[in-house]
Amino acid sequence: GENVEQHPSTLSVQEGDSAVIKCTYSDSASNYFPWYKQELGKRPQLIIDIRSNVGEKKDQRIAVTLNKTAKHFSLHITETQPEDSAVYFCAGSYGKLTFGQGTILTVHP
Amino acid sequence: DAGVIQSPRHEVTEMGQEVTLRCKPISGHNSLFWYRQTMMRGLELLIYFNNNVPIDDSGMPEDRFSAKMPNASFSTLKIQPSEPRDSAVYFCASSTSSNYGYTFGSGTRLTVV
Repeated sequence: GENVEQHPSTLSVQEGDSAVIKCTYSDSASNYFPWYKQELGKRPQLIIDIRSNVGEKKDQRIAVTLNKTAKHFSLHITETQPEDSAVYFCAGSYGKLTFGQGTILTVHP
Repeated sequence: DAGVIQSPRHEVTEMGQEVTLRCKPISGHNSLFWYRQTMMRGLELLIYFNNNVPIDDSGMPEDRFSAKMPNASFSTLKIQPSEPRDSAVYFCASSTSSNYGYTFGSGTRLTVV
């Protein structure tokens, strides 16, 4: 089955800096890669996703890139704000979502 | 749309008792998923249904766990008998297909003492 590895496990940045979270996946058949944000005590919420026929997707301050050859994808957050502080999960899917272990992002004012 | 609705929000039970968690997916969503979240193991897929049919239950930890989806608007996850190691947050999620963004419910925080 699919295995998704996520790095780093924790990330601390200053407000205004950029943050990058990276994931690798094992199943070359995976074709859908969403990212979820989970605030403390709340549900995971989809923030952006990308399919395998696209190399990059952007939505305001967040962007995701996908390298199918290397089987890795990344989340980029620019101009970080304190409200971006949360746990971020990547996932890979070929029929069902397999999640990475999560990255705790802390944005210091 | 009210989103994915789970009940109860919190459940505290004694070891050995039966626990039933409930989920109402978003109307029109054909796929339903049960996940378990713990600090140690992260988000684990337990089972998922397409059109009310169980497709993959390989993540169900053991025979103490069972899940049903009698119709398109209701699913249950049952643990019998419960054990302290079952303590976790259980999320239900639904989607228009198994390969598309899932919408999660608010979760049920289960504590087995």
